[in-house]
Amino acid sequence: ETGVTQTPRHLVMGMTNKKSLKCEQHLGHNAMYWYKQSAKKPLELMFVYSLEERVENNSVPSRFSPECPNSSHLFLHLHTLQPEDSALYLCASSQDPGGDWGYTFGSGTRLTVV
Amino acid sequence: EDKVVQSPLSLVVHEGDTVTLNCSYEVTNFRSLLWYKQEKKAPTFLFMLTSSGIEKKSGRLSSILDKKELFSILNITATQTGDSAIYLCAEYGNKLVFGAGTILRVKS
Repeated sequence: ETGVTQTPRHLVMGMTNKKSLKCEQHLGHNAMYWYKQSAKKPLELMFVYSLEERVENNSVPSRFSPECPNSSHLFLHLHTLQPEDSALYLCASSQDPGGDWGYTFGSGTRLTVV
Repeated sequence: EDKVVQSPLSLVVHEGDTVTLNCSYEVTNFRSLLWYKQEKKAPTFLFMLTSSGIEKKSGRLSSILDKKELFSILNITATQTGDSAIYLCAEYGNKLVFGAGTILRVKS
């Protein structure tokens, strides 16, 4: 484990389901991120939270809804997803929002939308 | 828009070979360039480069940045099968932007 824990590891959901991805870090970091990794595409930044406040949202569809209740936990709530949303969802954290000290990634959640 | 391009897209070598992976970038407000190794799922951090011409080294891996020509290289010497992975380059300017990665396969 890297210090950033993501659950579940795998998730299969129907297009009408509602589910949540969870990310937890015990590194004392102040910033947390959600990334999407689709096959043969670069990692895409979805959301950035700094000190529990959302600072960037890269025009992600509203069917993805992030929540950051405290600096150690980050959720990604999913509803009415599409098959093209199937991907690996990675959570990351960094000591500061600038990421000048590097990023630590979780192991990811492999999401399949059927 | 910020862009990171990695080459080659994929590479197959034999154990003991030396490989060089390339990363070029176009970015506003450059702060640092990062290299990651991704096996199975989570990318693991390798190097962060902020200054031109200063080589960073860790075992058989080394990396250098050229801020004038806007590129970085990652060298792996005496490759081993355990080096097989996707190597990701990311540039941090106003945000972290990843390249598509280089898939390296080391055959025994």
